[in-house]
Amino acid sequence: AQSVTQLDSHVSVSEGTPVLLRCNYSSSYSPSLFWYVQHPNKGLQLLLKYTSAATLVKGINGFEAEFKKSETSFHLTKPSAHMSDAAEYFCVVSENDYKLSFGAGTTVTVRA
Amino acid sequence: GAVVSQHPSWVICKSGTSVKIECRSLDFQATTMFWYRQFPKQSLMLMATSNEGSKATYEQGVEKDKFLINHASLTLSTLTVTSAHPEDSSFYICSAYGGELSSYEQYFGPGTRLTVT
Repeated sequence: AQSVTQLDSHVSVSEGTPVLLRCNYSSSYSPSLFWYVQHPNKGLQLLLKYTSAATLVKGINGFEAEFKKSETSFHLTKPSAHMSDAAEYFCVVSENDYKLSFGAGTTVTVRA
Repeated sequence: GAVVSQHPSWVICKSGTSVKIECRSLDFQATTMFWYRQFPKQSLMLMATSNEGSKATYEQGVEKDKFLINHASLTLSTLTVTSAHPEDSSFYICSAYGGELSSYEQYFGPGTRLTVT
């Protein structure tokens, strides 16, 4: 069985400061892990994906995530937040790239 | 990236009526399409998986007679909410997957907001 736990339901940061969104996963196999972003009234957009290659994955818009098997974590970071980063972020696990299990989501607000 | 469209983007219907939502894969042939439901401030819950030309596979707790899914072609899947009730009001999102044709990624539609009055 696969599942993810997003440890923060809401993260608030100041513009220009780092962003950290925490995610722990559970999987019986070597999973694929994803981070998606959902802006209001927009479709889900893939930020990045881990598929057992490099443990540090770089995504779009300056985001990156590090896969740590020993900690079963896949935290998402960005060095400097921008106002446009305000959105809902979902950590997702899949054991076959086919069936996705979504975390509960983390709402990011960015203060000017 | 590939584009998946949904129509309508929002719909209001009266209790007891049926409403159909379309999901189209515009850039690739989708062997599999998924339907999700998202309540306000909550995560996406997978409702069903549909493969072209075969019956959909529903997740536990999802009524297959209420949420009819048809995947008649490699670019179109439809979700029909039958005899809708206010508790069916939600945001419905589809995704399309084409294996190698979609670079082994699921592409999501923009969603359809259903309000049942």
